[in-house]
Amino acid sequence: DSGVTQTPKHLITATGQRVTLRCSPRSGDLSVYWYQQSLDQGLQFLIQYYNGEERAKGNILERFSAQQFPDLHSELNLSSLELGDSALYFCASSVDVGYGYTFGSGTRLTVV
Amino acid sequence: AQSVTQLGSHVSVSEGALVLLRCNYSSSVPPYLFWYVQYPNQGLQLLLKYTSAATLVKGINGFEAEFKKSETSFHLTKPSAHMSDAAEYFCAVSTNAGGTSYGKLTFGQGTILTVHP
Repeated sequence: DSGVTQTPKHLITATGQRVTLRCSPRSGDLSVYWYQQSLDQGLQFLIQYYNGEERAKGNILERFSAQQFPDLHSELNLSSLELGDSALYFCASSVDVGYGYTFGSGTRLTVV
Repeated sequence: AQSVTQLGSHVSVSEGALVLLRCNYSSSVPPYLFWYVQYPNQGLQLLLKYTSAATLVKGINGFEAEFKKSETSFHLTKPSAHMSDAAEYFCAVSTNAGGTSYGKLTFGQGTILTVHP
């Protein structure tokens, strides 16, 4: 157990639907990062939050949004889902830059 | 901007042989460098990290990596491969420079290590 909790572990949904992925960071970590991992794109940075505020955005589609709540858990919302959104979505947390990230076990999203 | 290039998407070794996974980075400021390992259907686990202290870094499971600034490299090695080392390995770079790159980990494309009996 890495200390970063992601739910659900698996999600199967239809095209056009909306889903919410949840992440609880490791205790004491203020930064949360979301990554998408697919065979063709590898690990792609989506977005970062620090203590409730958005800090950086990467290759995140407009159909996707995220937020970090006062208790520091974060949610990634994916809407108008397409087949190409099928991927592993990872959440990671960190206490500081030099310590690297601690990753959750991921949510495997399958869009059918 | 920062980037990472991992040379070789697949590396195959025999059990007991030397493991060498190559990583070159690009960063306009002093980098933090990391190696992660991912086993099938699992998340990424930190193997080791370089944060401007000793250039030879020792990690878990007998792995180590050497930071070579002149070569912009951070290759991962292990003297003797074990079957349990079979996994995908990712090199990553981060910096503490300000702006939108602060804290962001940029990953290489990954190297799949296969270990033969």
